[in-house]
Amino acid sequence: DAKTTQPPSMDCAEGRAANLPCNHSTISGNEYVYWYRQIHSQGPQYIIHGLKNNETNEMASLIITEDRKSSTLILPHATLRDTAVYYCIVRVANQAGTALIFGKGTTLSVSS
Amino acid sequence: EAGVAQSPRYKIIEKRQSVAFWCNPISGHATLYWYQQILGQGPKLLIQFQNNGVVDDSQLPKDRFSAERLKGVDSTLKIQPAKLEDSAVYLCASSLRGYSGEQYFGPGTRLTVT
Repeated sequence: DAKTTQPPSMDCAEGRAANLPCNHSTISGNEYVYWYRQIHSQGPQYIIHGLKNNETNEMASLIITEDRKSSTLILPHATLRDTAVYYCIVRVANQAGTALIFGKGTTLSVSS
Repeated sequence: EAGVAQSPRYKIIEKRQSVAFWCNPISGHATLYWYQQILGQGPKLLIQFQNNGVVDDSQLPKDRFSAERLKGVDSTLKIQPAKLEDSAVYLCASSLRGYSGEQYFGPGTRLTVT
């Protein structure tokens, strides 16, 4: 079973920030938080990952709470092309054979 | 850089028939994964290869599913015989290293078993 809890769906207006929450209250000290997204009829796409510090790349920002029990993926200026299912995954990094376990994710709908 | 290639994109077969899917990972990626995604669910790992050896096949229904990765490059996944519940999208992914959580996925093959 997935170790994360996400809302099933969220809406966002185009141009606004999309903040996608994820609860991972049982996360272990050596587990990273990964975010992927899956646009309709495509394979999942890696977005970002982090351990305890906030992370930012060209796609998104990842904010992890100090106790690491939850995190938020931020898309700063959502566009229609960001409409997708977003998956939050916890996984031990740098350990061979550790699978990505996908839950049902959050369906983000961006509208104009 | 070319992405992960998969073929065919769509396949319709009758139950009890056999089917094979092909995947070519990103050049230089040592690790290859096959996932099954049933409608409305997240992908589920079926098998993971490191070069041409199997790292994890604990979720692969070995009575009907088989996979190989000859020469450590491309891979095939076979189902024989297919059941109705095998209807799903079969996704191939690759990563540079076996321990990497950054995996690159292909477009998938949508299988419909009738």
